[in-house]
Amino acid sequence: NSKVIQTPRYLVKGQGQKAKMRCIPEKGHPVVFWYQQNKNNEFKFLINFQNQEVLQQIDMTEKRFSAECPSNSPCSLEIQSSEAGDSALYLCASSLRGDTQYFGPGTRLLVL
Amino acid sequence: GQQVQQSPASLVLQEGENAELQCNFSSTATQLQWFYQSPGGSLVSLLSNPSGTKHTGRLTSTTVTKERRSSLHISSSQTTDSGTYLCAISASNTNKVVFGTGTRLQVLP
Repeated sequence: NSKVIQTPRYLVKGQGQKAKMRCIPEKGHPVVFWYQQNKNNEFKFLINFQNQEVLQQIDMTEKRFSAECPSNSPCSLEIQSSEAGDSALYLCASSLRGDTQYFGPGTRLLVL
Repeated sequence: GQQVQQSPASLVLQEGENAELQCNFSSTATQLQWFYQSPGGSLVSLLSNPSGTKHTGRLTSTTVTKERRSSLHISSSQTTDSGTYLCAISASNTNKVVFGTGTRLQVLP
């Protein structure tokens, strides 16, 4: 069973507001991934980290999204200015070597 | 980029019947993982199976890497098996994981 913790479980924001969500990976897992799952069940990779360093990220993440995984603190994903199209389930996963991934319960974001 | 296709898109079974879910992918995968997503959205890893056959409980996964396909067999389905089953792959040159759109399974009592 996954021990990845994500908070909050639900987040409601108005357009233009910041939306921040957090993830605590499984202990000892240096690799962290963020995904967005939309209402059509489609997953979109956003960004991943190895320890505190960004490994890969998509354009969307580079522009309006910011993410970090500081040492000894939860990882976070923040949308600087929320848009209606950002409404989705945001999933965090951690991994020991980047192969098998273990997911948290997700943060469901609703942008009104 | 890599693509993952799953079939069928949805499946309705009576309790006790077996389910066969398929996953086809467009390029070589060094890691393949089957997930279960509950109606509430939580993702659970079921099996990691980049090649060969693996069993756990009522689940059996068979991956034929050369043919770029994997299957997930659920035997003696139960109503609690209802949910979405996702196949995801990654390649050795990237840590990114690509997901299929899933098979939505409904098991009726």
